[in-house]
Amino acid sequence: GAGVSQSPRYKVAKRGQDVALRCDPISGHVSLFWYQQALGQGPEFLTYFQNEAQLDKSGLPSDRFFAERPEGSVSTLKIQRTQQEDSAVYLCASSLGLAFNTGELFFGEGSRLTVL
Amino acid sequence: DAKTTQPPSMDCAEGRAANLPCNHSTISGNEYVYWYRQIHSQGPQYIIHGLKNNETNEMASLIITEDRKSSTLILPHATLRDTAVYYCIARGSGNTGKLIFGQGTTLQVKP
Repeated sequence: GAGVSQSPRYKVAKRGQDVALRCDPISGHVSLFWYQQALGQGPEFLTYFQNEAQLDKSGLPSDRFFAERPEGSVSTLKIQRTQQEDSAVYLCASSLGLAFNTGELFFGEGSRLTVL
Repeated sequence: DAKTTQPPSMDCAEGRAANLPCNHSTISGNEYVYWYRQIHSQGPQYIIHGLKNNETNEMASLIITEDRKSSTLILPHATLRDTAVYYCIARGSGNTGKLIFGQGTTLQVKP
């Protein structure tokens, strides 16, 4: 496909379970971002990759959150021992150039995580 | 990155121009103003961005005041499909590129 693809679109987890969310960015895009969007709020930055390097993880809320992009394309956001407050939509975005360029970010439709 | 302030909600009649204001009084010289919108259950979509000159593209126009402390996004002929949350973001060109979203303005286009 031509856009950013995220899977699964919906995930229900029991409290304490681990989850993995996948992002397929647009082919050739160097920069990849993860955002968390709680209900009724704007997206909040989690982490940024330039190719396979994770250059900014200042937004990850705790050490239960881990992201990787081992080959500089597909990225996975992993949440360990999920808590109810982790319930949110997780958005992935990619851009062609380096992050500090002024190009637009292309967002996926998100993965909605519900923790019971 | 500078903080932006937007009204929480606005209405607009279909076919009329929608003018969405944004205050960014603490913006610095190298920070761009970006606009994104988010239609229900979708990811944010880029609209337009600018530094100090007014900008226009096929979606919208961006008017930035001379002192750069505020801007207005103009949708010239709003349609029902323009109903969305609109985010105004001040983004530094030298940082990691992360966008800091606020609460945005919910624009309701009415028939």
